[in-house]
Amino acid sequence: GQNIDQPTEMTATEGAIVQINCTYQTSGFNGLFWYQQHAGEAPTFLSYNVLDGLEEKGRFSSFLSRSKGYSYLLLKELQMKDSASYLCAVDTNAGKSTFGDGTTLTVKP
Amino acid sequence: DTEVTQTPKHLVMGMTNKKSLKCEQHMGHRAMYWYKQKAKKPPELMFVYSYEKLSINESVPSRFSPECPNSSLLNLHLHALQPEDSALYLCASSQEPSTGELFFGEGSRLTVL
Repeated sequence: GQNIDQPTEMTATEGAIVQINCTYQTSGFNGLFWYQQHAGEAPTFLSYNVLDGLEEKGRFSSFLSRSKGYSYLLLKELQMKDSASYLCAVDTNAGKSTFGDGTTLTVKP
Repeated sequence: DTEVTQTPKHLVMGMTNKKSLKCEQHMGHRAMYWYKQKAKKPPELMFVYSYEKLSINESVPSRFSPECPNSSLLNLHLHALQPEDSALYLCASSQEPSTGELFFGEGSRLTVL
């Protein structure tokens, strides 16, 4: 089976930096996705990490350590529109992605 | 065209009704998925089609019946549903099975009375 853990809720201030952690235990690991989902909308892709290390994409960066079963999503220069649910999803060689429960981020002025 | 289109956006049905959800993508993706999402929960995988063949069924009750008429279309036939089946049903596609990002449709919000 798979076990994916991420914090349920986080709050941060506009303009600040926030790090959302995700830990996982799985077999047949291929890579790890991060998706953003605004309330009432579909998830949208943010990043996909296969190898260890940090990948930067504008204000968002994602880090993976395969040996530690650990990833984080780093959001810089937070904006109000970043308030959303952030879903960590593990991609396995079973042909499917399994989602964590998601972290609801609230950005305050 | 980088969209996954789902219809209808909203559906209300009784427990004895038969209805279908439809999903379409024209990105040439070879894998298509149905997910179910309840409020404040993550998407839960229901079915995966790879190259138009059902490759994964996550022990979904038979009152949900998927169909893939061609590489661009995916249907979910609904019959004799229960009120607890009320949820957002998300269709997604990926370029190849088991790899790459998922492109999600906006979902069909189903209410079973």
